[in-house]
Amino acid sequence: DAGVIQSPRHEVTEMGQEVTLRCKPISGHDYLFWYRQTMMRGLELLIYFNNNVPIDDSGMPEDRFSAKMPNASFSTLKIQPSEPRDSAVYFCASSLRSNYGYTFGSGTRLTVV
Amino acid sequence: GQQLNQSPQSMFIQEGEDVSMNCTSSSIFNTWLWYKQDPGEGPVLLIALYKAGELTSNGRLTAQFGITRKDSFLNISASIPSDVGIYFCAGLYSGGGADGLTFGKGTHLIIQP
Repeated sequence: DAGVIQSPRHEVTEMGQEVTLRCKPISGHDYLFWYRQTMMRGLELLIYFNNNVPIDDSGMPEDRFSAKMPNASFSTLKIQPSEPRDSAVYFCASSLRSNYGYTFGSGTRLTVV
Repeated sequence: GQQLNQSPQSMFIQEGEDVSMNCTSSSIFNTWLWYKQDPGEGPVLLIALYKAGELTSNGRLTAQFGITRKDSFLNISASIPSDVGIYFCAGLYSGGGADGLTFGKGTHLIIQP
């Protein structure tokens, strides 16, 4: 099993540009989570999906953030327009069941200049 | 939202020493998890606890789910250089569905040879 796969690993973009982060969960996992990690706030849950349906997006900071899961093997997190305060490491994680430990991807380090 | 207080924030120890860290919460959880994160990677699950009072070991690691369901600790015995990293506790209260893990701010473990 290749684990949770995220791309790109690093993204540097200019303020105002659109950014799209991608995630492929582990096959057979019904839950997919997007987290953001910063020094100040630690790991924060942004949104999660169950069977491709968004369940809780209360952690999404603003309307500039959106996430989709068109099928069981792919999800995107989009920021439009991006701002310097969006700079962080974004993690995708998947889980077989609701109370199982999550498997995290290696993350996307986003820098907005 | 739920808050997790993890302590200590950082530990500087000698190789071979035992390590202890803990997490407390303002609300109850029915799952406690401990993760380790290496630089440039996502968190990796170390131990999962599903019942109050449960004590679980994974090699040199031992973790316990507190009786009150509001706390957990992680012990590492006879530390070695590869134990260096950031350790996170995480709690989950799932009332019929996944609400997403809540993470502590992490304990930075630094080992001096």
